[in-house]
Amino acid sequence: EAQVTQNPRYLITVTGKKLTVTCSQNMNHEYMSWYRQDPGLGLRQIYYSMNVEVTDKGDVPEGYKVSRKEKRNFPLILESPSPNQTSLYFCASGLHKTYEQYFGPGTRLTVT
Amino acid sequence: AQSVSQHNHHVILSEAASLELGCNYSYGGTVNLFWYVQYPGQHLQLLLKYFSGDPLVKGIKGFEAEFIKSKFSFNLRKPSVQWSDTAEYFCAVNTGTASKLTFGTGTRLQVTL
Repeated sequence: EAQVTQNPRYLITVTGKKLTVTCSQNMNHEYMSWYRQDPGLGLRQIYYSMNVEVTDKGDVPEGYKVSRKEKRNFPLILESPSPNQTSLYFCASGLHKTYEQYFGPGTRLTVT
Repeated sequence: AQSVSQHNHHVILSEAASLELGCNYSYGGTVNLFWYVQYPGQHLQLLLKYFSGDPLVKGIKGFEAEFIKSKFSFNLRKPSVQWSDTAEYFCAVNTGTASKLTFGTGTRLQVTL
C-alpha cells in the first residue's frame, strides 16, 4: 500500500530533551516536506527536500533540523525542544511533476 | 511570496444545505490549486486540484471548485452537504516551484443533523 508513515504518533517530552520524528514513504517521491499544524494558523511548512541531500527551509524552520540521506526517509530533529514546539506535525511527499502531496497520519508532540 | 486566505473560519450547516467555502490567493503568475480535507483525527486527503483547462473542477464525494483567475479565487462548493462532511478544509496553492504548497488557515465545517 502506497503510504507515508510517521513515528511516533504521540510523544510527550520535556524541554531540552532531543527527539527525532521519523518519516518514510514508499512511493519513490522526490519531494518530501514537514509541516506543523496549529489552531487558527493552518499548516506551516518547516523544511522541505527536493531530493536526496537537498533540503531547504520552509516558513518556520527555527528550532528544527532535517536530513535526507535516502530518498524514502526524511526525519525531523528537535535538538532542544521548547514548549512552543508543542504542535501536530505532518510529513508529506510528492512528485515534482504532479505537485500533489500525500500526507502522513501526523505526530502529536507535547513539550512540557 | 504567495499567500492564501480562507475567510470563513468556522461554518455550521444543516444537512442538505449548500456549501461554498472561499479561497483567495495572492500571486500574479501561473498557479496550481488544491483543496484538502482533514476529517477529525485523520491526516489530510486531496479533495480536488486544478492545473489548467476547464476552470470548474470536480473532485471526490460530490465536491467541486471553480477557478476564477480575475478574482484570484478558487472556491469550494457542494450542492448538498452530509453529516459525514464535517471536517476541516484547506485550500493550497503551488506556483510551480516543484511541489511546494502554501496553505490557507483552514475552514472548520460542522454539519448538523
